[in-house]
Amino acid sequence: DIQMTQSPTSLSASVGDRVTITCRASQSISNFVNWYQQRPGRAPKLLIHTASTLHSGVPPRFSGSGSGTDFTLTITSLLRDDSATYFCQQSDSLPYTFGQGTKLEIK
Amino acid sequence: QVQLVQSGADLKKPGASLKVSCEASGYTFNSYSIHWLRQAPGQRPEWMGWINASTRKTKYSQKFQGRVSIIRDTSASTFSMELRSLGSEDTAVYYCASDSNASGQYSWFDFWGQGTLVTVSS
Repeated sequence: DIQMTQSPTSLSASVGDRVTITCRASQSISNFVNWYQQRPGRAPKLLIHTASTLHSGVPPRFSGSGSGTDFTLTITSLLRDDSATYFCQQSDSLPYTFGQGTKLEIK
Repeated sequence: QVQLVQSGADLKKPGASLKVSCEASGYTFNSYSIHWLRQAPGQRPEWMGWINASTRKTKYSQKFQGRVSIIRDTSASTFSMELRSLGSEDTAVYYCASDSNASGQYSWFDFWGQGTLVTVSS
């Protein structure tokens, strides 16, 4: 199975800040990475698919990049509402696997 | 607007089976897939398997092979996932999620059900 490793596992930032979350795959997966946001007690929501394509309705403050084994999710102009856990997921091969998550706290 | 509505929370005894249903609505195209995932408390989501909504073709994670079944019910837009021989490690929130790629390959999960908490305890 492909292992997905995120860093950091948690971070704290202020409203208006810019943050970057990194996801590394255990082998090359082209651009087959997707990013999700999950608030406590809720289902994950798709933010970005195929590394950099914004899902419908997601604000352009969210962006993704990368290919091969290294990928990033960037959130600019942080809002209090962005407080959540963010997961990457590889869709290169079965079984689909997720990173361990990055918990973002807004100070 | 795509909606996935799942059945309610459940309590199961070790060794029993669970069945969670997922009703899909709002699709304007015929070809899509439904995936099932689960998430244990404080853990990352875990993919279990998928079904092509039209052909009913399925594929399962090897971890659950032989213990899981995903079916499309007689109502063409209702899907169910059954997991057998439950243990305490199967306590989790179970989700269905849709994928507009009917092949089930290179999938992302664009819409999710609300989740179904299943607790396995004697």
